[in-house]
Amino acid sequence: GIQVEQSPPDLILQEGANSTLRCNFSDSVNNLQWFHQNPWGQLINLFYIPSGTKQNGRLSATTVATERYSLLYISSSQTTDSGVYFCAVVDQAGTALIFGKGTTLSVSS
Amino acid sequence: SQTIHQWPATLVQPVGSPLSLECTVEGTSNPNLYWYRQAAGRGLQLLFYSVGIGQISSEVPQNLSASRPQDRQFILSSKKLLLSDSGFYLCAWRHPPLPFEAFFGQGTRLTVV
Repeated sequence: GIQVEQSPPDLILQEGANSTLRCNFSDSVNNLQWFHQNPWGQLINLFYIPSGTKQNGRLSATTVATERYSLLYISSSQTTDSGVYFCAVVDQAGTALIFGKGTTLSVSS
Repeated sequence: SQTIHQWPATLVQPVGSPLSLECTVEGTSNPNLYWYRQAAGRGLQLLFYSVGIGQISSEVPQNLSASRPQDRQFILSSKKLLLSDSGFYLCAWRHPPLPFEAFFGQGTRLTVV
């Protein structure tokens, strides 16, 4: 089955710093999403981005489907950005949403 | 608009007891439905998914089963819980072929004691 790898596994930042999270996938996909899991466990949809670039405030994402990777950029990080960031893809059959292991981000003031 | 409901939010159950977690989706029809489990400090493991009533695909052999008795209802069950069944259970839906975007419920935190 398709493999999804995220890096780095852990990231510690000072408030105001910028960061880049990476998601590599092993096969062609027709869906890629980025999620943020808050301290209560809820998964918040950040981006649906099978290809191209999108921006939402301080967050932006880019997916290069032909090279099988996606990047999530967080600028001017805030303590509320802390949590786990997941990338998830839909396999070629178009059914199962497969998650990477996540990047745990800790932002301190 | 579409919404997804999952309950209960928290559950503490003794070893050997049965389990039933329910997930319902409103505002859409014929969604794909998913159950995931997240162990403490870990990623999300896909347990089951369903593309229609009565159609269940299992990703991982385990002590759990799933059923879809109605179009927008997805149930996760166990006849006898094990300690290893503890975790955070999340239900999700998406509507193929478009939009592909998946949305998650609030989750159920299950502790087996």
